Amino acid sequence: GENVEQHPSTLSVQEGDSAVIKCTYSDSASNYFPWYKQELGKGPQLIIDIRSNVGEKKDQRIAVTLNKTAKHFSLHITETQPEDSAVYFCAAILTGTASKLTFGTGTRLQVTL
Amino acid sequence: SAVISQKPSRDICQRGTSLTIQCQVDSQVTMMFWYRQQPGQSLTLIATANQGSEATYESGFVIDKFPISRPNLTFSTLTVSNMSPEDSSIYLCSVEASHNEQFFGPGTRLTVL
Repeated sequence: GENVEQHPSTLSVQEGDSAVIKCTYSDSASNYFPWYKQELGKGPQLIIDIRSNVGEKKDQRIAVTLNKTAKHFSLHITETQPEDSAVYFCAAILTGTASKLTFGTGTRLQVTL
Repeated sequence: SAVISQKPSRDICQRGTSLTIQCQVDSQVTMMFWYRQQPGQSLTLIATANQGSEATYESGFVIDKFPISRPNLTFSTLTVSNMSPEDSSIYLCSVEASHNEQFFGPGTRLTVL
């Protein structure tokens, strides 16, 4: 089955700096890669996703890149703000099959003033 | 995106008792899932709730411990049976929308004493 590794486990940045979270996956057939943000006391929120036919996707201050050859994908947050502080999870899946989302272990991002 | 509600939002229970968690979605969806998130951990899939048939459980989870109902396309329940302190977790339901996006409810925070 799929295995997703995520790094770093914790990340502290100053407000205004950029943050990068990296994930690697094991199943080369996986074709959909979502990212979730989980704030304290809340459920995970889908913030951006990317499919295997695309190398990069951007939505305002967040972007995701995918390298299919190396089987890794990354989340980039620019101009970080205190409200970006949360736990971020990456995930991978082969869509259209009985396979399920496999999550990374999470990254706790702290944006300091 | 789908709007998902869960009840209760939190509960404190005595060991040996059972708790039923409800999940309501604002639109009809085919795929509904139940996850467990142990303190400080990532998300682990318990089962897929199938409408009109028995749930499909992941390895390590059994129907006797986590019975699931799915009476229609907008509602599901998860029961945590014969609880022990090790069952203290956040329980999350999720739904798969169009284009494979998966959205999560706010979670039920369970503490077993």
